[in-house]
Amino acid sequence: DAKTTQPNSMESNEEEPVHLPCNHSTISGTDYIHWYRQLPSQGPEYVIHGLTSNVNNRMASLAIAEDRKSSTLILHRATLRDAAVYYCILRGGGADGLTFGKGTHLIIQP
Amino acid sequence: NAGVTQTPKFRILKIGQSMTLQCTQDMNHNYMYWYRQDPGMGLKLIYYSVGAGITDKGEVPNGYNVSRSTTEDFPLRLELAAPSQTSVYFCASSYVRDLREPQHFGDGTRLSIL
Repeated sequence: DAKTTQPNSMESNEEEPVHLPCNHSTISGTDYIHWYRQLPSQGPEYVIHGLTSNVNNRMASLAIAEDRKSSTLILHRATLRDAAVYYCILRGGGADGLTFGKGTHLIIQP
Repeated sequence: NAGVTQTPKFRILKIGQSMTLQCTQDMNHNYMYWYRQDPGMGLKLIYYSVGAGITDKGEVPNGYNVSRSTTEDFPLRLELAAPSQTSVYFCASSYVRDLREPQHFGDGTRLSIL
């Protein structure tokens, strides 16, 4: 799978929007962009995925650049429960598992 | 709705001991995975299975064995525990071989080998 680059950490205030960036300049045309998050002492949790168009669900929004070389996970109104490590993952062909980088450690200040 | 269940949650082993980490899912998923996560790092794939009776190696399979006799269960065995296997182990499952399909994770087994 192609590689992704994310900032090591970000900090935001409670009840404000959060934009988590991800660069994936070597993405192939068939790679899906997935986001997972991992709360402290828990397993990863699926957040959202997309291919070309922007996507919304009850947890977050995903904005994908027109050239698909970057994407942004948007949490519209962060709460303390959103403090977690967020992973941006590209899914190509095959049944192999997910390739996790170090992700972005999101800190939410009250 | 149990999802993916892992047991035990915590375990301490002595070097050279053996143990089996249990994983079961109640979602009738065909695909199951074992990952390990070292401190401050992302998860790495150990083994995966695409259905009962079929398993394959991931990125870091050395020192581990798996079996898949039923759709629900995917146990991971450590035969001769080594300090390098101290880690948090996560089991996951997914329904089909589809790039859009999310994986569902258990809460992990925290294993220390002393």
